[in-house]
Amino acid sequence: QQQVRQSPQSLTVWEGETAILNCSYEDSTFNYFPWYQQFPGEGPALLISISSVSDKKEDGRFTIFFNKREKKLSLHITDSQPGDSATYFCAASSYQGGRALIFGTGTTVSVSP
Amino acid sequence: AQTIHQWPVAEIKAVGSPLSLGCTIKGKSSPNLYWYWQATGGTLQQLFYSITVGQVESVVQLNLSASRPKDDQFILSTEKLLLSHSGFYLCAWSLRDRGPERLFFGHGTKLSVL
Repeated sequence: QQQVRQSPQSLTVWEGETAILNCSYEDSTFNYFPWYQQFPGEGPALLISISSVSDKKEDGRFTIFFNKREKKLSLHITDSQPGDSATYFCAASSYQGGRALIFGTGTTVSVSP
Repeated sequence: AQTIHQWPVAEIKAVGSPLSLGCTIKGKSSPNLYWYWQATGGTLQQLFYSITVGQVESVVQLNLSASRPKDDQFILSTEKLLLSHSGFYLCAWSLRDRGPERLFFGHGTKLSVL
């Protein structure tokens, strides 16, 4: 079963708007949640991450909001730019020594100028 | 600076033919190494990981095998390709002392099985 779910599958916003990407998980042992950004034909790159002891993490125009009780988190991209057009993956980890990250299904964001 | 190099960039192979994909990490000693597979438009599925030379753990059985012949090298292979092996193969590394926190991915190999 899919342990990390993302919605929507795709999202289109206008330049300057805020894009909101949602993520939920099932395993309560997950305690680290990175978001990766992937452009077509390239490998994913770490964008921003949060641990389960925090409820918010901000880095420039990218902010993660985390709700541990509901096992949900979201990535907000404010003042969206055309260069932000990419697929964003939410991932989760419980530090199980080498079993690395469980990735979500991804959200493809298109920013129209 | 650490660099990760994957080869080849792309492959077109026939069903039933063998395959070997490679990954080399420079500038980092004894990293954790990972192979991920990504279907077109899909999520990333971890296939294998290795924490040291000669030691590889399988996460998903997809009729593939992996080996780590050197500290900085990770090989993915199979003797007989299936149509279902088509996709994007990504090698990644992480800092051993930081566990699985930060994965750094290569540019990937696009595999088309016909």
